[in-house]
Amino acid sequence: AQSVAQPEDQVKVAEGNPLTVKCTYSVSGNPYLFWYVQYPNRGLQFLLKYITGDNLVKGSYGFEAEFNKSQTSFHLKKPSALVSDSALYFCAVRPYSGAGSYQLTFGKGTKLSVIP
Amino acid sequence: NAGVMQNPRHLVRRRGQEARLRCSPMKGHSHVYWYRQLPEEGLKFMVYLQKENIIDESGMPKERFSAEFPKEGPSILRIQQVVRGDSAAYFCASSPGTMNTGELFFGEGSRLTVL
Repeated sequence: AQSVAQPEDQVKVAEGNPLTVKCTYSVSGNPYLFWYVQYPNRGLQFLLKYITGDNLVKGSYGFEAEFNKSQTSFHLKKPSALVSDSALYFCAVRPYSGAGSYQLTFGKGTKLSVIP
Repeated sequence: NAGVMQNPRHLVRRRGQEARLRCSPMKGHSHVYWYRQLPEEGLKFMVYLQKENIIDESGMPKERFSAEFPKEGPSILRIQQVVRGDSAAYFCASSPGTMNTGELFFGEGSRLTVL
């Protein structure tokens, strides 16, 4: 069974500074990896995904994520944080094939607070 | 913008009542997934449906919970004899087919409160 760990419940960063939200995963075989963002009382919005190819993936709103197979990590990054980036961020994984390949497994989420 | 539509957005029920949550997938999508989000938790997979078929219900509690996706109309998640522990946000997501390399598209959620 696949799993996702987001080791930080909360991340605080000053506006204009770079931000990193950490994610590690466990899955049989090759992973498909995703980042979603959730604003209060809203649904999840897709940010970016890693399928194959370049380890650095660029997504919406200036976010990017780096896939590291040896460390089984997929950290979310942004060079310069905005106050409007404050939200709950979820990392998710599903296996490339086999049992559960359609089941997206989510981490518990990391609350990002960008301080003006 | 014909996104994933869920209703009701908020639902209050007393213990023992029934809750029905509806989900209309994005236009052109024939696959529906239901997830539950408990307070301070991530989303947990409940069930995966295609039109008229339940493909995987491994995340559904064995009792009181059921889901359907009829040929016509929205997908429905039904919770019978609700208890306080059922209070949560229930999210529906859709995809055009088997997910392949694609992401899921989520609705705004239905927030169930059991008194």
